[in-house]
Amino acid sequence: DAGVTQSPTHLIKTRGQHVTLRCSPISGHKSVSWYQQVLGQGPQFIFQYYEKEERGRGNFPDRFSARQFPNYSSELNVNALLLGDSALYLCASSLGVLQETQYFGPGTRLLVL
Amino acid sequence: GQNIDQPTEMTATEGAIVQINCTYQTSGFNGLFWYQQHAGEAPTFLSYNVLDGLEEKGRFSSFLSRSKGYSYLLLKELQMKDSASYLCAVTTNAGKSTFGDGTTLTVKP
Repeated sequence: DAGVTQSPTHLIKTRGQHVTLRCSPISGHKSVSWYQQVLGQGPQFIFQYYEKEERGRGNFPDRFSARQFPNYSSELNVNALLLGDSALYLCASSLGVLQETQYFGPGTRLLVL
Repeated sequence: GQNIDQPTEMTATEGAIVQINCTYQTSGFNGLFWYQQHAGEAPTFLSYNVLDGLEEKGRFSSFLSRSKGYSYLLLKELQMKDSASYLCAVTTNAGKSTFGDGTTLTVKP
């Protein structure tokens, strides 16, 4: 069975641009969560989506948005990129809304210049 | 808000036992996770504790005390490949997860 997949693996953008990151959960998993991980720190929770609805949101500005599609895949959008948005963006899927046993994808490494 | 504390670094010898502690403060506690993360890779799931007590899985065990806001991860028979960052994470009933900054474990021969 395929694990969590994310695309692209690496991305370089300039300040002010927009980026869309994509995630496909493990088959049968209905919950997708997004995290931002800066080097040397733990992942910071951005969003959780379950059954296409936002079920949790971390302390991130409105420039960050996400959605989940009927097939449970998800997109994370970041507008007006800042240098500080450079990070590894991780997607994790789980069966239910309580995030028991989350499985992480390989991540998208975003560099903002 | 939520706060998670774990030691920044630990060093242990191959074949030994090491305990990584994690303390947390949160409201609406739902469960506590431990993850392993090798440099440049995504975190991989190790354990999940919802109730108080010890959960054992092979060389890895995790303990939780909800009343004390305390957990530990116990690694036995350490191997060189266990050198990694170990992340403690708490989830709440509101669907929010908070990770600690991780404990970098170095296993020496």
